[in-house]
Amino acid sequence: AQKVTQAQTEISVVEKEDVTLDCVYETRDTTYYLFWYKQPPSGELVFLIRRNSFDEQNEISGRYSWNFQKSTSSFNFTITASQVVDSAVYFCALRATGGGNKLTFGTGTQLKVEL
Amino acid sequence: KAGVTQTPRYLIKTRGQQVTLSCSPISGHRSVSWYQQTPGQGLQFLFEYFSETQRNKGNFPGRFSGRQFSNSRSEMNVSTLELGDSALYLCASSLAPGGGETQYFGPGTRLLVL
Repeated sequence: AQKVTQAQTEISVVEKEDVTLDCVYETRDTTYYLFWYKQPPSGELVFLIRRNSFDEQNEISGRYSWNFQKSTSSFNFTITASQVVDSAVYFCALRATGGGNKLTFGTGTQLKVEL
Repeated sequence: KAGVTQTPRYLIKTRGQQVTLSCSPISGHRSVSWYQQTPGQGLQFLFEYFSETQRNKGNFPGRFSGRQFSNSRSEMNVSTLELGDSALYLCASSLAPGGGETQYFGPGTRLLVL
């Protein structure tokens, strides 16, 4: 069975603070893919990043960075110098053959960035 | 390149009615998946289509059905609507099925069942 846990339901920060969103996953598959999506109030899920299970290299894209650690089954997401426009719900998702290749989502983390 | 489009964006129906939602994938994408999002259950997979064939189905009752056309556009239908079917229905497209393919989502259809 596939499972994604986002223990942080809601995080509030002040603009320019750094914030890390946690994601822990479970799968028995050796080949799997991890994703992060952002959902602003409009409702559309916006793709942020994809990682496969064989690539543990961390990635930085502008103010965003991702830390993938297979040893702890975690795929955490950090926003540096947060901005009000970062306010949204962030979802971590897992896709693996054992799960029928469907996306299994976590429950999401609501990020509120205030002035 | 245009993104995934979904119509209608909003719908209000009453219990017992049926509804059809439409999804047009990104040009060149041949795989379409549907998800239901509710405050209580979160994001749940409904089904996936590729080359007009349903490849995968989530744990939903038979009232939920879908299809895909030769131009990759997809529709989903919900018959005998129940109050619990009120949700945001999201469509996602990808180049092909398979775990490594990224799914790109549309804006969703918000369905309210009264």
